[in-house]
Amino acid sequence: QVTLKESGPVLVKPTETLTLTCTVSGFSLSNARMGVSWIRQPPGKALEWLAHIFSNDEKSYSTSLKSRLTISKDTSKSQVVLTMTNMDPVDTATYYCARTTQSGYGIDYWGQGTLVTVSS
Amino acid sequence: SYELTQPPSVSVSPGQTARITCSGDALPKQYAYWYQQKPGQAPVLVIYKDSERPSGIPERFSGSSSGTTVTLTISGVQAEDEADYYCQSADSSGTYAKVVFGGGTKLTVL
Repeated sequence: QVTLKESGPVLVKPTETLTLTCTVSGFSLSNARMGVSWIRQPPGKALEWLAHIFSNDEKSYSTSLKSRLTISKDTSKSQVVLTMTNMDPVDTATYYCARTTQSGYGIDYWGQGTLVTVSS
Repeated sequence: SYELTQPPSVSVSPGQTARITCSGDALPKQYAYWYQQKPGQAPVLVIYKDSERPSGIPERFSGSSSGTTVTLTISGVQAEDEADYYCQSADSSGTYAKVVFGGGTKLTVL
């Protein structure tokens, strides 16, 4: 079955760079028209899409965070990596990775999420 | 930037019908998706491509589209349906599409 699992630090300091890894199983990152998105959710707030990457290497970023984000994939390891620079306490959130279809850009499977706290 | 607008809250009694709307200028051209999120859990897809229901989702969940508004309807609401619901679509106005979420609607079962 399809699963996604996020991994990375639970605590980062302000100004540091966050690196999160999404390891997928049950599908391949080379599957046509398939990809992975990163979404975050601050405590008590709404979902916010950050970025996605597809099998054809199409990448897209949130307009407001574009300058701070980089998404990449390693198909052989079934991993998608998101880096976010210059972390701030307002970036404290649960970060999810999720499988995304290039047809319609819908999300059908989500990881469990990982809570990242930004604090000195 | 492109936005999807949802009501912050909807309340219904058990057995009644809940309707949650989502408005956006590009919805006539892009599919909408709906997710259910219960406290402490990841979102779950309940409707895709405006009105399709994934396997395992109860038949009481349905979706529809009319112009710039899509609607999630939950017929015969049950206590277990109390959750936050998010609509999602895509902004294809740029070189590459961007995903957009609505602000979420808290469904309260009275």
